[in-house]
Amino acid sequence: EAGVVQSPRYKIIEKKQPVAFWCNPISGHNTLYWYLQNLGQGPELLIRYENEEAVDDSQLPKDRFSAERLKGVDSTLKIQPAELGDSAVYLCASSLGGQTEAFFGQGTRLTVV
Amino acid sequence: RKEVEQDPGPFNVPEGATVAFNCTYSNSASQSFFWYRQDCRKEPKLLMSVYSSGNEDGRFTAQLNRASQYISLLIRDSKLSDSATYLCVVKDPNDYKLSFGAGTTVTVRA
Repeated sequence: EAGVVQSPRYKIIEKKQPVAFWCNPISGHNTLYWYLQNLGQGPELLIRYENEEAVDDSQLPKDRFSAERLKGVDSTLKIQPAELGDSAVYLCASSLGGQTEAFFGQGTRLTVV
Repeated sequence: RKEVEQDPGPFNVPEGATVAFNCTYSNSASQSFFWYRQDCRKEPKLLMSVYSSGNEDGRFTAQLNRASQYISLLIRDSKLSDSATYLCVVKDPNDYKLSFGAGTTVTVRA
C-alpha cells in the first residue's frame, strides 16, 4: 500500500516567486495535515483538513500561503510570493481521523534564495 | 507554556546501554500520545502509540503518567541504528490537532 506521497522532494526558488507543493494522502484517510519544519525543531501545523474542509488554518499565514483540497483527496499548498524565511521542510501527513496516528510523506525541502 | 516539551538532549550513549527521556504536555484532557522517530533529513515515522497502561515493543517501552502529565520512552540494549531524534506527539481530544515537541536527540556510539 502506498504511503503519503509528496512532490516535489526539493525546490529552489528565488524570493518573490510563487511555489506549490502537492500531497496525496493514504487512501481512505479523511484527515490531511500540512506541517512546516525548521531545522532542529518539531513540525508546526499550518493547516488541517477533514475531507475537503479546512478545520484548522489558524497558523497559516494567509497573506501569502493558501491551500486547497478540492475533492477531499489530494491537496496543494501554495506560497506567493515566497520569502527567504519560508525556507524549510514542508510535510504532509494523513490519518483516519479521531484519535488515530498520522503518517507522513517524505516532505518537500524548500530553499528560497 | 508550550503544549509539548521535551528534553532536547543530546543523549550520547554506548551500544547496549539503556536510555530514557520524558515529554511533558500541558492539556490534562489529552487522550492520545505517540512517539515518532525522525532520522536526519527524513520524515517522522511512527515508533509507537502510548496507551494508558503503557506499552512495550521489543526494546522500546513507553509509559504515560497522567497525574504528572508526562510520557516517557525507554530504549533498552541500544543499537547504533537507534541514533535519531525522537518526537513526542500529543493529540488534542477535541480538535484532533497534533502537537509536536521539538524532539530529543539520541546518539548511540560503538
